[in-house]
Amino acid sequence: SSELTQPPSVSVSPGQTARITCSGSALTRKYGYWYQQKSGQAPVLVIYEGDKRPAGIPERFSGSFSGTLITLIISGAHVEDEGDYYCYSTNNTGYRMFGGGTRLTVL
Amino acid sequence: EMQLVESGGGLVRPGRSLRLSCVVSGFIFDDYAMHWVRQAPGKGLEWVAGIGWNSDNIEYADSVKGRFTISRDNAKNSLFLQMNSLKPEDTALYFCVKSTVTTGPEGWFDSWGQGTLVTVSS
Repeated sequence: SSELTQPPSVSVSPGQTARITCSGSALTRKYGYWYQQKSGQAPVLVIYEGDKRPAGIPERFSGSFSGTLITLIISGAHVEDEGDYYCYSTNNTGYRMFGGGTRLTVL
Repeated sequence: EMQLVESGGGLVRPGRSLRLSCVVSGFIFDDYAMHWVRQAPGKGLEWVAGIGWNSDNIEYADSVKGRFTISRDNAKNSLFLQMNSLKPEDTALYFCVKSTVTTGPEGWFDSWGQGTLVTVSS
């Protein structure tokens, strides 16, 4: 498959845990990555290689992966975490692809 | 600090051409593969094209193959995207993006420009 599937939207209250999923057969062989995009801004990497956090990304962001599913977890979501989140990976032929994106609302 | 600055976007009629440029600073340009990623208004991200550090491993999304050409000039720290036979569905914000590897499909995108807007309309 050359697709990554995400839910269109996730909504949580401040302080709650947000979970955003991404599924696709490519994820059994390749790492998944997560990008955050706030309105009018370029995307920013928040998780790489499934569960690693880049420098400068708050500890409340974490990632998990199992089989064909990867999950972005925001423990104790802040209002400023609102935005669009995209998963990214490559398939077994090296084709690069993004998920359709998930709009996170924190209110 | 890594900086990627795109230019060259604008309004163009269907069937015409446009050339995007990206000038980078803050890292050793010819150590990394580079890519273009686009985002149609109100839509998600779409990878468009990628090029290895020495212009090897050039790849394109199926949606632009045969119409777009990616290239780079390492001496000028610059990345380009020549877009021919433009269609209304090519309307998007085009981001210049740095990879974490020198070439090939591994790695990820760790630095993005702010994008340049291309509008294809009659």
